[in-house]
This record gives sequence, C-alpha cells and structure tokens, in this order.
Amino acid sequence: GIQVEQSPPDLILQEGANSTLRCNFSDSVNNLQWFHQNPWGQLINLFYIPSGTKQNGRLSATTVATERYSLLYISSSQTTDSGVYFCAVGSNDYKLSFGAGTTVTVRA
Amino acid sequence: NAGVTQTPKFQVLKTGQSMTLQCAQDMNHNSMYWYRQDPGMGLRLIYYSASEGTTDKGEVPNGYNVSRLNKREFSLRLESAAPSQTSVYFCASSNRLLRQGARETQYFGPGTRLLVL
Repeated sequence: GIQVEQSPPDLILQEGANSTLRCNFSDSVNNLQWFHQNPWGQLINLFYIPSGTKQNGRLSATTVATERYSLLYISSSQTTDSGVYFCAVGSNDYKLSFGAGTTVTVRA
Repeated sequence: NAGVTQTPKFQVLKTGQSMTLQCAQDMNHNSMYWYRQDPGMGLRLIYYSASEGTTDKGEVPNGYNVSRLNKREFSLRLESAAPSQTSVYFCASSNRLLRQGARETQYFGPGTRLLVL
C-alpha cells in the first residue's frame, strides 16, 4: 500500500500562533483527506484535497501531487484546535491509508 | 440526522468470546468502512463495502468478518476474540463513486472501545 509519513509527530503551540503540518506520501494518489481527531476521539473530515489549495476559516491545505506532499496550515490557533491531525491518501480503489498523525496541543 | 452511529460504545471480552459491532448511517451513502485505531499507528482499514451487497478486505482483515446488511448497516464480527484485537474501532461511510477523481468525504462514527482480556 501507499506509505504516508506525517511530521512533526508532536506540536505544542501558544494560543494565537500559526503552524504547518506536513504529509508525505510514497505514490501517486487521487484521494487525499485531512482529518482532525478531537480529545474525545471524534474524527472530523477537514478537507478533501487531492491537489490544489483550499481554505476553511483558519485552516487551509495545499497538496502538490507531483511532489507527493500536502500541507495543512493552522492560523491563529485556538485551544479547540488541539487533537490529532491525520492525513489519509488513496488511489483508484476504496482503500485509504492513514499516517500516524500529528498531535497538536494549543496552550492558553 | 444522526450521521454514523456505532454500538456498543465500550465492550470487554474474554479471549475466545465472540461479538458483533454494529454500525448504521442515515446519509444514504453507498460505501462503508471499518477501521481500527491503535496507539501511534493511525487508522488501519479492516474491511470495506463499496456498495450494498459487496464487501472487500482492507489492510488488516484477519480475525474479522463483516456483513453489509442493507444500505444503512455494516457490521463487524469477531468470531474468537484475541488480546491483539484490543483497539478502538471506527465505522465510516462516504458517497464515493467508483470513478477516478470522484470526490469523497468520509464521515466517522464515535468509535467502539474494545478490551480483550
């Protein structure tokens, strides 16, 4: 399957700071999604972004498919942004491969 | 509109016992998935069902069986539980269509925490 590496594994931020999370993948994909898992375990889909750039409020994502990476930007971080961020990729089937995640802690 | 629901929320089993995890979605999605999440490993796909009446193996299917009962429901069965199956199990659904470039958003249930002693 496609290998997915996320960095950094852990990130501690002061409230109001900006950050960038990275996702590298080992093969061509036509499906890339970013998820946020909150401290209570709920997984929420943030973006479907196999290529290009999208923005949703303080979050934005960019995928450069030809170079096999995606970036998730968090601006003006808030304590509610804490949790684990997962990148998941897939090809021409239904199987999504998840990275190990980046654990983000935002301190007030 | 409840989205994706899972039962039970928490279960303790003894080695060798069997159980079925239930999942239902009310979004009229074609595709449904079962994942397990272990510490530090992200989510791994156990089985998926592209559409009603079909099921396929994912990355870690050994020790599990699934049933796509109808379009809404997708169950996961452990026939003889083992301590290695201690994990958090997530069900998800999506409106993915089998064509290249189809947009997909997977929606997840709240998870089932399973402890096998």
